[in-house]
Amino acid sequence: KNQVEQSPQSLIILEGKNCTLQCNYTVSPFSNLRWYKQDTGRGPVSLTIMTFSENTKSNGRYTATLDADTKQSSLHITASQLSDSASYICVVSDRGSTLGRLYFGRGTQLTVWP
Amino acid sequence: EADIYQTPRYLVIGTGKKITLECSQTMGHDKMYWYQQDPGMELHLIHYSYGVNSTEKGDLSSESTVSRIRTEHFPLTLESARPSHTSQYLCASGAGTSRQPQHFGDGTRLSIL
Repeated sequence: KNQVEQSPQSLIILEGKNCTLQCNYTVSPFSNLRWYKQDTGRGPVSLTIMTFSENTKSNGRYTATLDADTKQSSLHITASQLSDSASYICVVSDRGSTLGRLYFGRGTQLTVWP
Repeated sequence: EADIYQTPRYLVIGTGKKITLECSQTMGHDKMYWYQQDPGMELHLIHYSYGVNSTEKGDLSSESTVSRIRTEHFPLTLESARPSHTSQYLCASGAGTSRQPQHFGDGTRLSIL
């Protein structure tokens, strides 16, 4: 069964600190992995997307890594800001699907305190 | 920011009413999707469309229906709302290849009394 598991479920950090969110998946055959940020009451917004051949991708203070062999990904946030408080969702697409169908994790709820 | 719009943002309505949730996108994307999201849970695909006059059911069974008469418009309809339909409904669109990130609307939070 294709699954996407994220950890931790929730995380509280102080402003300015770094943090790392984890995503493990069993989706096969793998096509790509995306990290989304979802603010409360808003739709998800794409942060990064990586294919099988990419093992790291950055978007400002966000850096995603991918280990396709172990089927693990991480999202590292550097120098956190209050606006980083949100749910971060890992989403994996399988190569067998041509329609953009995605497998979603339940997200990590990040809270940044001043 | 992607140009995909959902209305209404919030809707509280009584059981048995007919509801239509609107979704429009101005990017000319062929693919459009409806997802259902409950608090703390993953998004579940309930409907998708390849293009005009194309609609398919998603992974999660839903009593809702959709239509795609125009590329930019993908409304979702509940003929007779029930409390079990209470949820957040997110519309998304994407370009032709699965590698393209999907753009999401801000959702409709639906509460059925």
